[in-house]
Amino acid sequence: GAVVSQHPSRVICKSGTSVKIECRSLDFQATTMFWYRQFPKQSLMLMATSNEGSKATYEQGVEKDKFLINHASLTLSTLTVTSAHPEDSSFYICSAGGWGQGNQPQHFGDGTRLSIL
Amino acid sequence: SQQGEEDPQALSIQEGENATMNCSYKTSINNLQWYRQNSGRGLVHLILIRSNEREKHSGRLRVTLDTSKKSSSLLITASRAADTASYFCATDAKGAQKLVFGQGTRLTINP
Repeated sequence: GAVVSQHPSRVICKSGTSVKIECRSLDFQATTMFWYRQFPKQSLMLMATSNEGSKATYEQGVEKDKFLINHASLTLSTLTVTSAHPEDSSFYICSAGGWGQGNQPQHFGDGTRLSIL
Repeated sequence: SQQGEEDPQALSIQEGENATMNCSYKTSINNLQWYRQNSGRGLVHLILIRSNEREKHSGRLRVTLDTSKKSSSLLITASRAADTASYFCATDAKGAQKLVFGQGTRLTINP
């Protein structure tokens, strides 16, 4: 079946560091990918929709310059948390699926736990 | 914004019992999906029910959808310890092209 790979699974770094997270669709092409943030014991909050070959669509309240998204190919989207601070510590999850193909489920990566010291 | 409300927020039952989780939403939808999340992992798709469907089964899972009440339920029969996880409903709102997740139900199955 379809698989989405997310890397790295865990990052621990100092405040001020920029962190890049990759999301790959392994056996299908994804023109659209989604980036979520999840706090402990809470639901997923959509941050942005990553569109292949065009600018990402950010949800209200999400800083575009803080969370840079690049979707340069049909199988890869990256999320860069720039100049990360402790409040950016969270669990980040990506998903991809055949949105253009009608009612299809999303396939999720295993998430990246980001800890900023 | 999260439009889905789920109840209960937490549910603890004995192995072998049935578990029922409910989800309510606010807008018109194309479909509603249920996902499962083990602690610290990504989400796994369980079942999708279209807006013109009322009930769907998959193994030990049974999902109902009542669009007039804007609500859905997920029933897990004959629960197992391995069913312990968080369960989320997600709606695909018409025209939105994105999923909106409910708050989730944390299910614990006691051996």
